[in-house]
Amino acid sequence: GDSVTQMEGPVTLSEEAFLTINCTYTATGYPSLFWYVQYPGEGLQLLLKATKADDKGSNKGFEATYRKETTSFHLEKGSVQVSDSAVYFCALSDSGNTPLVFGKGTRLSVIA
Amino acid sequence: GAGVSQSPSNKVTEKGKDVELRCDPISGHTALYWYRQRLGQGLEFLIYFQGNSAPDKSGLPSDRFSAERTGESVSTLTIQRTQQEDSAVYLCASSQDGTLPTDTQYFGPGTRLTVL
Repeated sequence: GDSVTQMEGPVTLSEEAFLTINCTYTATGYPSLFWYVQYPGEGLQLLLKATKADDKGSNKGFEATYRKETTSFHLEKGSVQVSDSAVYFCALSDSGNTPLVFGKGTRLSVIA
Repeated sequence: GAGVSQSPSNKVTEKGKDVELRCDPISGHTALYWYRQRLGQGLEFLIYFQGNSAPDKSGLPSDRFSAERTGESVSTLTIQRTQQEDSAVYLCASSQDGTLPTDTQYFGPGTRLTVL
């Protein structure tokens, strides 16, 4: 079945450091790919998405590119802030009428 | 506009009791999903409603779990004879259509269930 694997956390970075959170997937079809973020004490929010190969999703300085050849959707940010501290989830949706398949989440802590 | 809302936000119950969790989706969204998030884990799919179609119950972990949805609005997730392993945050999400993989799901704040 479909699955998502993302790097284990926690990840601790200093402010203004470069961030990469790796995400790879397996899917039977042609999925859409998502990154969701869960800030402390808050619900899950969509951060960005990409729906076809080579698409780049971007939001709040974060980017991820849909790489079909490597089945990856790595999340990057050039300069993290303390306010980016959260848990990040990579997810896919393989076809209509199916739920999202999530990775286990990566906790990011950014220190000043 | 209003997002997905869930109630209660927290629920503490004793082992063996039944609980009901409620979800109000975004108005006009035809698809509704329930997920479970156990401590330190990713989200597990439980059940999915799409319009008037029969729900996809393939993620329900046991027959103690059931869910209903009234038309295209409120949904309730019921857990009977709760066990300690049911302790988790239960998340509800809705999406406008649910028939396309490009459809975005919007999540509620969750209900934190603790079974003593």
